[in-house]
Amino acid sequence: AQSVTQLDSQVPVFEEAPVELRCNYSSSVSVYLFWYVQYPNQGLQLLLKYLSGSTLVKGINGFEAEFNKSQTSFHLRKPSVHISDTAEYFCAVSDRGSNYKLTFGKGTLLTVNP
Amino acid sequence: DTEVTQTPKHLVMGMTNKKSLKCEQHMGHRAMYWYKQKAKKPPELMFVYSYEKLSINESVPSRFSPECPNSSLLNLHLHALQPEDSALYLCASSQQPGQWRFFGPGTRLTVL
Repeated sequence: AQSVTQLDSQVPVFEEAPVELRCNYSSSVSVYLFWYVQYPNQGLQLLLKYLSGSTLVKGINGFEAEFNKSQTSFHLRKPSVHISDTAEYFCAVSDRGSNYKLTFGKGTLLTVNP
Repeated sequence: DTEVTQTPKHLVMGMTNKKSLKCEQHMGHRAMYWYKQKAKKPPELMFVYSYEKLSINESVPSRFSPECPNSSLLNLHLHALQPEDSALYLCASSQQPGQWRFFGPGTRLTVL
């Protein structure tokens, strides 16, 4: 079984500031890792994914994440946020042996203020 | 075409009504999913279809009935719902079962 912990339920930041959204996972097997974004009243959009290879993953909208196996973390970062980045961000994990189970964290609400 | 579409966007129904939600993708994906999302919560998996066959039912009440008429379409038939079933219903697809999901915009369901 796997689990995902998003350490912050809310993160307020000012426009053009850097941001880091934290995600830790636990699993007894190797995993795939994902970040999804959900804008108000919309579905989920895949921001980026880690499947294998380079531990630094670049996604859409200037976001990137780093897979750290020893710390079982997959933190999401952006060097300079915009008002339009205000959204709910979900970290998710699926283990490489499971065909169906995608486990989500509880989400982090990023609010970018002017 | 790289998207999952869902209709309707909003649906209000009474507890005795029968309605259906529709999901469509034209990416050639062979797995399709229904999720339920309550406010300020992550999505919860309801059903998985793999190669047009129901492969996972996460103990969903029988008042929700999924159907996969073909590889591009996924329906969710609703009957005798309860007010607590009000939620955002998300459809998703993936190229193969277990791969990353592409989500649709969802149907916002309100049960009166």
